[in-house]
Amino acid sequence: GAGVSQTPSNKVTEKGKYVELRCDPISGHTALYWYRQSLGQGPEFLIYFQGTGAADDSGLPNDRFFAVRPEGSVSTLKIQRTERGDSAVYLCASSLTGSDGYTFGSGTRLTVV
Amino acid sequence: KQEVTQIPAALSVPEGENLVLNCSFTDSAIYNLQWFRQDPGKGLTSLLLIQSSQREQTSGRLNASLDKSSGRSTLYIAASQPGDSATYLCAYAGGTSYGKLTFGQGTILTVHP
Repeated sequence: GAGVSQTPSNKVTEKGKYVELRCDPISGHTALYWYRQSLGQGPEFLIYFQGTGAADDSGLPNDRFFAVRPEGSVSTLKIQRTERGDSAVYLCASSLTGSDGYTFGSGTRLTVV
Repeated sequence: KQEVTQIPAALSVPEGENLVLNCSFTDSAIYNLQWFRQDPGKGLTSLLLIQSSQREQTSGRLNASLDKSSGRSTLYIAASQPGDSATYLCAYAGGTSYGKLTFGQGTILTVHP
């Protein structure tokens, strides 16, 4: 596609529920990234994929967070037993090789009530 | 801990002024540094990417410089316009994990007519 697409754009869920956030990167981009942004803050790194494998998952805050990219294109960020502190905008980005510029999606605003 | 500091946190200027946004970082072994623009409720738009071997990059009215030895980057905006109003974020990729960007908190720029 022309840009990075993230769905849904907004998600409201109850505390304790499971959620999945989807990211469609630019076609042909091998690198895919997930970031989390809280209000008034810069994005914080979560995980980085090169192809199908997670090259760096050091930013995942705990084992409730998991991400996959099974075919090296679409990625899903999965959050189990959501907590109110998980509320944030989740941003996805892709780049052609991983050492060039990023293209970000518009993000998914997650609200845990 | 790797950190990025952006000064000022907010800036309000009249249309037509030239302005400088500052970014400092603690990691001397950076791979590249990027400047992004973020409009309210939107994702990030990449403005300029400076590789570690470069000193500056220019795009239109924007010029970004990089001084690795002092851990600083500046974004210069010439002849500012109301449409430049947004949050500007700098981020660097570290030398051993170039897929992971560390962001500053951003500078909120308002250009009034």
